[in-house]
Amino acid sequence: EPEVTQTPSHQVTQMGQEVILRCVPISNHLYFYWYRQILGQKVEFLVSFYNNEISEKSEIFDDQFSVERPDGSNFTLKIRSTKLEDSAMYFCGGRQSSYEQYFGPGTRLTVT
Amino acid sequence: AQSVTQLDSQVPVFEEAPVELRCNYSSSVSVYLFWYVQYPNQGLQLLLKYLSGSTLVKGINGFEAEFNKSQTSFHLRKPSVHISDTAEYFCAVSRLDSSYKLIFGSGTRLLVRP
Repeated sequence: EPEVTQTPSHQVTQMGQEVILRCVPISNHLYFYWYRQILGQKVEFLVSFYNNEISEKSEIFDDQFSVERPDGSNFTLKIRSTKLEDSAMYFCGGRQSSYEQYFGPGTRLTVT
Repeated sequence: AQSVTQLDSQVPVFEEAPVELRCNYSSSVSVYLFWYVQYPNQGLQLLLKYLSGSTLVKGINGFEAEFNKSQTSFHLRKPSVHISDTAEYFCAVSRLDSSYKLIFGSGTRLLVRP
């Protein structure tokens, strides 16, 4: 059964550094998403991506964040200058034209 | 804006007992409804979904949920739980007029005791 994969599983970075979180969605998915879950809090929507452009983004997704799908397989989330409050588990999700989303195992980002 | 409320942060239950995890939502437009499970140190796995049709939906691992439009609820049930069902359960909604992003509840930790 195809799965969404995410790398790395854990990323530790210093405040102010750039990080790139990578996701390989299921090959026939068309819509892609990033969510995050700060420890002890609910899962929050960050951004949705379709047809090589952002279709919706949350208030959290400010100018420090960007997404791209450079090669038709990887889907990346970049944080340009990390802050302590960016520490969270980041989940990549995807779906076909149906409405259920499938998620990867997550990347735990720790900003020190 | 829509919101999802999971009133119970933790539900302890003995093995083989039935369980119900509650979920209520509010939305000014129609939504799709989902339950996801997160096992320790793992990602989010889809348990079941309600899109339309029969209000009782069955999912994986013996779970089922009932959509009640008048009460805006989507409670998750299992008639007999196992130790392996210990996990965090998230209710989520997706608006029909958006990018179908998911809005999650705060989660309910199901703790199954022997």
